Amino acid sequence: NAGVTQTPKFQVLKTGQSMTLQCAQDMNHNSMYWYRQDPGMGLRLIYYSASEGTTDKGEVPNGYNVSRLNKREFSLRLESAAPSQTSVYFCASNRDSYNYGYTFGSGTRLTVV
Amino acid sequence: AQSVTQLGSHVSVSEGALVLLRCNYSSSVPPYLFWYVQYPNQGLQLLLKYTSAATLVKGINGFEAEFKKSETSFHLTKPSAHMSDAAEYFCAVSDNAGNMLTFGGGTRLMVKP
Repeated sequence: NAGVTQTPKFQVLKTGQSMTLQCAQDMNHNSMYWYRQDPGMGLRLIYYSASEGTTDKGEVPNGYNVSRLNKREFSLRLESAAPSQTSVYFCASNRDSYNYGYTFGSGTRLTVV
Repeated sequence: AQSVTQLGSHVSVSEGALVLLRCNYSSSVPPYLFWYVQYPNQGLQLLLKYTSAATLVKGINGFEAEFKKSETSFHLTKPSAHMSDAAEYFCAVSDNAGNMLTFGGGTRLMVKP
C-alpha cells in the first residue's frame, strides 16, 4: 500500500541544469497532478493529467513539462532550472476527475542555486 | 474562477482549547470543499470533504467543518486541541469536474501545553 511515491526526496540543481521528478501511484487512479508549495501561497497546480494520454496546464506551467508515461507514472521535467523554481513539489492522484479527494506523495524539496 | 482565503497564517491555542481555523471561498458554481492537514516533512492528508450532502461534515481526528453558503465559509473546528494536532492546515475548493483543486495559503496551528 505505497500510495503515491515521489523520487527524489531532495535535490540541489545549478541554474540552467535540467532534471525530471518522478511520480508513481499504485492505486489504479486515473487522474494525476503536480503542485508546487511555496510559503504563504499554499499549493499551486503546475500540470495535471485527467486520464492516461492527456495532460493540461494548471495555474503555473511556465518552465515545466510533463509526461504521463502510463496510468501509473506522471513525471515533471525542468528543462533549464531557475532559482524561482526552488520549491517543494508534490504529486497527487485521484480516482478520476470527480471529487473523491486527492492522495499526495511526500514531496520533493528542490533547491536551485 | 475560484479562490480560497484562509484568515490567519498562524493560530496558537492551548491544549484542550477549541480549535477554529477559518476558510472563505469564492466559486461561480456549487463548490466542493476540502480540508487537508500537513505534518512536517510530509505530504497532505485529507481531513474531510463537503460534496453537497450534509452541511456539517465530520472528518478524522475529531475535526469537523460546516458549510455555510450565505457566508461562503467552510471553517474547521475541533472542540479540544491535542498536541498532536500541531500541523499546517489547508482549505481547498474544486469545481464540479474536480480538475482544478485550488488551495488557500494555509494556517499553521500551534498547540501550547
